[in-house]
Amino acid sequence: DTEVTQTPKHLVMGMTNKKSLKCEQHMGHRAMYWYKQKAKKPPELMFVYSYEKLSINESVPSRFSPECPNSSLLNLHLHALQPEDSALYLCASSQGQGWQTQYFGPGTRLLVL
Amino acid sequence: AQKVTQAQTEISVVEKEDVTLDCVYETRDTTYYLFWYKQPPSGELVFLIRRNSFDEQNEISGRYSWNFQKSTSSFNFTITASQVVDSAVYFCALRRMDSSYKLIFGSGTRLLVRP
Repeated sequence: DTEVTQTPKHLVMGMTNKKSLKCEQHMGHRAMYWYKQKAKKPPELMFVYSYEKLSINESVPSRFSPECPNSSLLNLHLHALQPEDSALYLCASSQGQGWQTQYFGPGTRLLVL
Repeated sequence: AQKVTQAQTEISVVEKEDVTLDCVYETRDTTYYLFWYKQPPSGELVFLIRRNSFDEQNEISGRYSWNFQKSTSSFNFTITASQVVDSAVYFCALRRMDSSYKLIFGSGTRLLVRP
């Protein structure tokens, strides 16, 4: 089973709102990722958690705040976003660090008004 | 510099045609991994294949086949007898053997299979 789930599927929020994206996997993977994908572009890495610790932040603005409550869950807290933050947000997981395959969830389509 | 080039932005074929998606990569590393992912309109990236730099054997999985050639730094993907369900964006990606976790994606090739 290589399933990564994400909720919600779609999210519309205003620039003053606070919302959260949720990602879950039950494959026993110890690395989890957040990617941002704009239309007609490849995904761009935002954050990496390895063994529940933040190991990579790709210079993401502080209005995006990741959280890894446990090894199966990954959240992305959103606050004071801009319209240009509208995108597909993809979560992925892999067995560990290194070359292991990253398995992606279906994504959350975010629209910031 | 690490780079993946998918020169074909969009390909349109009629169902049952064979189609090849090109992927050319650049890296100075001797050890690396290459991936192909499929992204249908629903948005999820679906893993198709992983290949390490020491394994140049071609691979076939049903209607899908992959041709890895280190001499030309290419990792091409062929779909035989294409079907409408193959319509998607296909990404080729390179993964270095370092701690960056980064997948370096190509720009993607949009495949449209017409009935």
